[in-house]
Amino acid sequence: DIQMTQSPSTLSASVGDRVTITCRASQSVSTWVAWYQQKPGKAPKLLIYKASSLESGVPSRFSGSGSGTEFTLTISSLQPDDFATYYCQRYNSFPWTFGQGTKVEIK
Amino acid sequence: EVQLVESGGGLVQPGGSLRLSCAASGFTFNSYSMSWVRQAPGKGLEWVSYISSDGTTMYYTDSVKGRFTISRDNVKNSLFLQMNSLRAEDTAIYFCARACCTGGTCYACFDSWGQGTLVTVSS
Repeated sequence: DIQMTQSPSTLSASVGDRVTITCRASQSVSTWVAWYQQKPGKAPKLLIYKASSLESGVPSRFSGSGSGTEFTLTISSLQPDDFATYYCQRYNSFPWTFGQGTKVEIK
Repeated sequence: EVQLVESGGGLVQPGGSLRLSCAASGFTFNSYSMSWVRQAPGKGLEWVSYISSDGTTMYYTDSVKGRFTISRDNVKNSLFLQMNSLRAEDTAIYFCARACCTGGTCYACFDSWGQGTLVTVSS
């Protein structure tokens, strides 16, 4: 199976910081990657699909990029509501797999 | 408003069975493929199973093949997961999730999720 490796596992940042999370695939997945935000006790929320397409209603400070094996989620200016755990997901072939998650904490 | 409401979770002994349900509303259910995704306590997300919009195609992650069965009722707008031969490692919150569709094109990401139902496998 194609594995997705996220880094870092934990990230400490301040409000207003630019934050970048990376996801690396063990082989090419083209642009079949999505990014989700999850807060404690809640279901995940879709942020980005097809590597760089912003889901409707998601603030424009979120952006995604990449293709092949390396992908990034960027938050241009971290807001208080953005402290959460973020997951990448590849969906080029079954079984679909998620990265292990990146927890964004308050510095 | 899109709503997905899971039910059927609970405590079950190893080797036991449970049937999860997901009631869908607020969208044309029979136009969307659906999946189950689970999350073990304090762990990450794991895709479990997929079913096509018409219910004819199903896929499973290796660890549940032969034990879990996904199905749907497009008349009753419901998704199901029959779980047999349950193991301790199946303990998790189980989410039903809808495929992303935009501009008539659907992708295998998930744009709507239920609140989840907790399955605990323990003696």
